Amino acid sequence: DGGITQSPKYLFRKEGQNVTLSCEQNLNHDAMYWYRQDPGQGLRLIYYSQIVNDFQKGDIAEGYSVSREKKESFPLTVTSAQKNPTAFYLCASSIKHSNTGELFFGEGSRLTVL
Amino acid sequence: AQSVTQLGSHVSVSEGALVLLRCNYSSSVPPYLFWYVQYPNQGLQLLLKYTTGATLVKGINGFEAEFKKSETSFHLTKPSAHMSDAAEYFCAVSSSGGSYIPTFGRGTSLIVHP
Repeated sequence: DGGITQSPKYLFRKEGQNVTLSCEQNLNHDAMYWYRQDPGQGLRLIYYSQIVNDFQKGDIAEGYSVSREKKESFPLTVTSAQKNPTAFYLCASSIKHSNTGELFFGEGSRLTVL
Repeated sequence: AQSVTQLGSHVSVSEGALVLLRCNYSSSVPPYLFWYVQYPNQGLQLLLKYTTGATLVKGINGFEAEFKKSETSFHLTKPSAHMSDAAEYFCAVSSSGGSYIPTFGRGTSLIVHP
């Protein structure tokens, strides 16, 4: 079955540590996105990528980094510079960037900083 | 610029009652509109979408929404609520003005009482 796989589903981190969240898709979609979800705040865009080896900052990119070396993969690193990293992180993809904007989502990764 | 406002962070209905979740949008160009549903600790799933054509859109699980340009609204309805409808619902808008990157509302939690 085609879809988006995020791992790990749950992750605990100590303050000062970097952590990388994995996102893999086999939908052959060109565009991929990372969103952060906090209670009552909806989804906020962290980074997005339209094509391989290219990505753009979203609304809340500070403290995060990404790479897009392969079409199928778009990992997100939460760095120690992110002041409040505890959140639910959602990866999504779309057929191509200039499509309607319909997104396909993974199951999410919940990061907790201890 | 584009934005979405979802009225009511929580909506409570009895099983069998009408469900109405409100969404108003702002867009300087013709929008694409979406409703997504999210169950606890899961990703978002598309319920329905408006791109062009018929303004009354039918989706999965008996939901429908009507695009009203004059009211800049895209309210989600279902004639009869079921216990399994309890979830978080997100309205989203995308457009060429926003580079087809969707902007999400803050979400509405639907509570269904027996």
